Amino acid sequence: EAQVTQNPRYLITVTGKKLTVTCSQNMNHEYMSWYRQDPGLGLRQIYYSMNVEVTDKGDVPEGYKVSRKEKRNFPLILESPSPNQTSLYFCASSPRGTRFSYNEQFFGPGTRLTVL
Amino acid sequence: GQQLNQSPQSMFIQEGEDVSMNCTSSSIFNTWLWYKQDPGEGPVLLIALYKAGELTSNGRLTAQFGITRKDSFLNISASIPSDVGIYFCAGRENSGGSNYKLTFGKGTLLTVNP
Repeated sequence: EAQVTQNPRYLITVTGKKLTVTCSQNMNHEYMSWYRQDPGLGLRQIYYSMNVEVTDKGDVPEGYKVSRKEKRNFPLILESPSPNQTSLYFCASSPRGTRFSYNEQFFGPGTRLTVL
Repeated sequence: GQQLNQSPQSMFIQEGEDVSMNCTSSSIFNTWLWYKQDPGEGPVLLIALYKAGELTSNGRLTAQFGITRKDSFLNISASIPSDVGIYFCAGRENSGGSNYKLTFGKGTLLTVNP
């Protein structure tokens, strides 16, 4: 089944304790992205990656890191989490190719993170 | 970054009623997308629009790409309880190159009373 998976789905942690949220897609998509969703603010892009070893900042990158060593994986790293990073996080991927295919981003199920 | 103004923020309707929501942008977009997010899940694409003036339907859903390329609307006809969820518009600016970045609206929370 074609899908985007995220782990963990739920995480409660404490300020300053480094954590990684994994994202993996099995659709051979070039483009991957991380979003955070907060009440009243909608979806905001954190980082994105156009392909392996190519990453760039989105609208709210502060406090986050990413890497894209393999095409299928795009982990989100919080080196020193803070309470304002408590949020619902989504990973998404989309294929490159025709004009009509790269716009459809497939989203993962989400990771709910709480930083105490 | 670019922001989209999506309205209304929330709607409470009776089953069977029609629904309309819209998004506006200060920039010209070359793509408009509409997503639905069910509780506890990620957004799922409903309709994609690629040309100014384009009107596209998907079952009871109809969306249009505004002529000015700065707005889009989504209509849902004869709503049913499973239409409940958050609806997001998303747009891609006409910036050229291979910029895949989408900008999302803040969402419209739809509640349907049976």
